[in-house]
Amino acid sequence: AQSVTQLGSHVSVSEGALVLLRCNYSSSVPPYLFWYVQYPNQGLQLLLKYTSAATLVKGINGFEAEFKKSETSFHLTKPSAHMSDAAEYFCAVRNTGGGNKLTFGTGTQLKVEL
Amino acid sequence: NAGVTQTPKFQVLKTGQSMTLQCAQDMNHNSMYWYRQDPGMGLRLIYYSASEGTTDKGEVPNGYNVSRLNKREFSLRLESAAPSQTSVYFCASSDRQFRVMRETQYFGPGTRLLVL
Repeated sequence: AQSVTQLGSHVSVSEGALVLLRCNYSSSVPPYLFWYVQYPNQGLQLLLKYTSAATLVKGINGFEAEFKKSETSFHLTKPSAHMSDAAEYFCAVRNTGGGNKLTFGTGTQLKVEL
Repeated sequence: NAGVTQTPKFQVLKTGQSMTLQCAQDMNHNSMYWYRQDPGMGLRLIYYSASEGTTDKGEVPNGYNVSRLNKREFSLRLESAAPSQTSVYFCASSDRQFRVMRETQYFGPGTRLLVL
């Protein structure tokens, strides 16, 4: 079965600093990986997804993630944090069983300080 | 194009009461899902419907039932609510692409349920 682990339930950065949110996966087959963002009192919105076409994936709002098979990682980064990036971020992996199911990580709450 | 809509936005129930959470999508998607979100646990799949007329259990189906009323609508029913079902419930939908693994799920705004 596929799973993802997000290290750090809370991350705090200063505005303008690098954002790094960690996600490690476990999968017996090449994984399909996703990052979603959830703003307060809203549903989840897709940031980016890895589907084996390229290891460096660019998403919306300046975020990107790099798939590293040797490290079983898919960390999310942004060079310069903005106050509007404050939200909860979820890493997810597609299950190989039928039905296009996703397994989500436990989430990382990003706080951006002045 | 409203995307995925959910009603109600917020509900308070007493233990033992029943209710149905409604979800509709206007993107002509084949697949629909119900998740629950609890602090520190991420999102967990309750039920899903790969296509109209089919439903399957997810990770945490106990205490819930679903109905895929038509292609647009997918409802979640709590027959006898329990405090452990206090949660935020999200509906999602996705379309089938040539490479099924590329499907993206689109989420509704959620229903906050409190069971006393």
